[in-house]
Parts: sequence; structure tokens; C-alpha cells
Amino acid sequence: RKEVEQDPGPFNVPEGATVAFNCTYSNSASQSFFWYRQDCRKEPKLLMSVYSSGNEDGRFTAQLNRASQYISLLIRDSKLSDSATYLCVVMTTEYGNKLVFGAGTILRVKS
Amino acid sequence: GAGVSQSPRYKVAKRGQDVALRCDPISGHVSLFWYQQALGQGPEFLTYFQNEAQLDKSGLPSDRFFAERPEGSVSTLKIQRTQQEDSAVYLCASSLGREGGLGIGETQYFGPGTRLLVL
Repeated sequence: RKEVEQDPGPFNVPEGATVAFNCTYSNSASQSFFWYRQDCRKEPKLLMSVYSSGNEDGRFTAQLNRASQYISLLIRDSKLSDSATYLCVVMTTEYGNKLVFGAGTILRVKS
Repeated sequence: GAGVSQSPRYKVAKRGQDVALRCDPISGHVSLFWYQQALGQGPEFLTYFQNEAQLDKSGLPSDRFFAERPEGSVSTLKIQRTQQEDSAVYLCASSLGREGGLGIGETQYFGPGTRLLVL
């Protein structure tokens, strides 16, 4: 079983739609959580950190449920430019501060 | 300021050839990481440096893989006797790092990667 699991998709949605991605992690010692975005043939870029209290950045909302070891990302009013792969990422200090990535969820926003 | 840079961007190697991949981290960043990303997968950790010290090399898949960062800035990932299964994108990332700390929650900034194809 992989340490971070995501639905690979693809999620095909029309512009303006709301879409949600989920992710689960297996290591209860994990301390930091992130969503990264990766465009085709590009490097991953940090989209947002994820906190237990939940956090919002414009159209993006991230939630963490430590009890269920579950992370979510909600994108409202999808834009064509949101099309990318979204990587769920966990950092566990018992392994230093390396990042453990999920395989990614593909989002395609269509006009 | 300049981000993380990597060279070469693309490398084609014949099976059995040795390759060296270079990473220039963001100036002043103490922590440096190497990841391997196979097609359709997320990046997987290879190794981690804090300054010149290699603190974690648990992700290196075999003893054919070797990384160094002799002066605490530029790093080189070397793969000896390349095999077809080594074909992947090799990503370097750096973060600010904190003296004596683990940099919990610190943002890692990724370079554009080196796309390695072993024939």
C-alpha cells in the first residue's frame, strides 16, 4: 500500500464547476501537509499548505482531518488554467523533512 | 531571484553508460533534495543534504546511484552503469533550512528536472 493515496482521475469538468480531490495518508506521525500542482512536463509547484483548521486561498480550499488521515482540496469556479495534475504531499519528520507524494490527480477543465 | 536550476535538461544515455546530473539550488538554501519521478507517478525521494552533509540516502534505489554536495551548494547526482529502469525525470529541490532544526513545513522549491532516457 502506498503511503499517500489519491484517485488518479482524470476529472473532466466544465468551466465554472466546483471539483473536490481527496487524499489519504498512512503514517500517523506525519506533521506537514501540502497540495502541489504540476503542469505537463513541468516541475511541481506549491499550491498551498494544509492545516487542521482548514485554509482558503481564493478559489482553493484545503482541509485536513488528522483523525481520519484524510486531506482534501476544493476548487471553486474552475478555470481552463486550472487544468493540471494535483499532487497530495505529506512531510514526516521521522524521515527528516523529505516529502512523500501521491501519484497525483489529473484535472481537465473544458470550455 | 533565480530559482533552482538543473542541467542538462535532457539526457539520452546508452545502457551501461554513466551519467551526472547537476543541481544549482537557490542561493543560501541549506537543504537540498533529489527526487525521481517515473511517468504517471508522483516524485519519489532519493536523498537529502543539509549543507554538505548527506543526512538521508534511504531512497537511492541501488549502489549505482551516488550523490554529493561537496561545498554545500551545487549538488551532483551520478548514476553508474545506467539501466532502462533508470529512465525518469530527476528533480532537485531546495529549502531554506534552519540550523539545528528539521525545517518542518518549509516550502521546497523544485528545479525543472532532468529528463533521462536510457536506451
